[in-house]
Amino acid sequence: DSGVTQTPKHLITATGQRVTLRCSPRSGDLSVYWYQQSLDQGLQFLIQYYNGEERAKGNILERFSAQQFPDLHSELNLSSLELGDSALYFCASSVATTGGETQYFGPGTRLLVL
Amino acid sequence: GQQLNQSPQSMFIQEGEDVSMNCTSSSIFNTWLWYKQEPGEGPVLLIALYKAGELTSNGRLTAQFGITRKDSFLNISASIPSDVGIYFCAGPYWGNQGGKLIFGQGTELSVKP
Repeated sequence: DSGVTQTPKHLITATGQRVTLRCSPRSGDLSVYWYQQSLDQGLQFLIQYYNGEERAKGNILERFSAQQFPDLHSELNLSSLELGDSALYFCASSVATTGGETQYFGPGTRLLVL
Repeated sequence: GQQLNQSPQSMFIQEGEDVSMNCTSSSIFNTWLWYKQEPGEGPVLLIALYKAGELTSNGRLTAQFGITRKDSFLNISASIPSDVGIYFCAGPYWGNQGGKLIFGQGTELSVKP
């Protein structure tokens, strides 16, 4: 158990819908990262938050957004869903954002868009 | 952009055999991480390497941080069925205020009892 929790574990929805994925980092970790894992793209970085502020952005679609709340949990919002958004979404956390520290991953949310 | 090339892509071995996989990059990394992912689960950190030339063990796993800082190796000795999974190398890429992990494509390990 990494100490990172994610809900829900599975999500099935239809195209055009909007979903919210939730992540709670390890106790004491201030940084939260979101990754998408698909069969053809592998693990791809989406976005990082540190202590409530956005710090780094990857190839995140405009339809996707995230935020980190004062209690440090984070939510990833996916809207206008398309079939191609079906993937595993992972949250990871680390202590800081200074570089080099390891990231610990949650169990993931498997999203299926029908 | 930065990319990690991991090989082999897959391995089918007999229980008890040793396994070796590697990861190379065109860019220098200051940290190398090795993760294992089992079906339906998130990546689990196995070994973290922070210094060029460093050799670190975790049970039957041994990883090395290449001296050029552009490669890393993971060895598994005396494999067992529970070693099955996908092994990823990863390196952090840091910008001005934050960063991300860049992952290799993964090595899928199958162990025949």
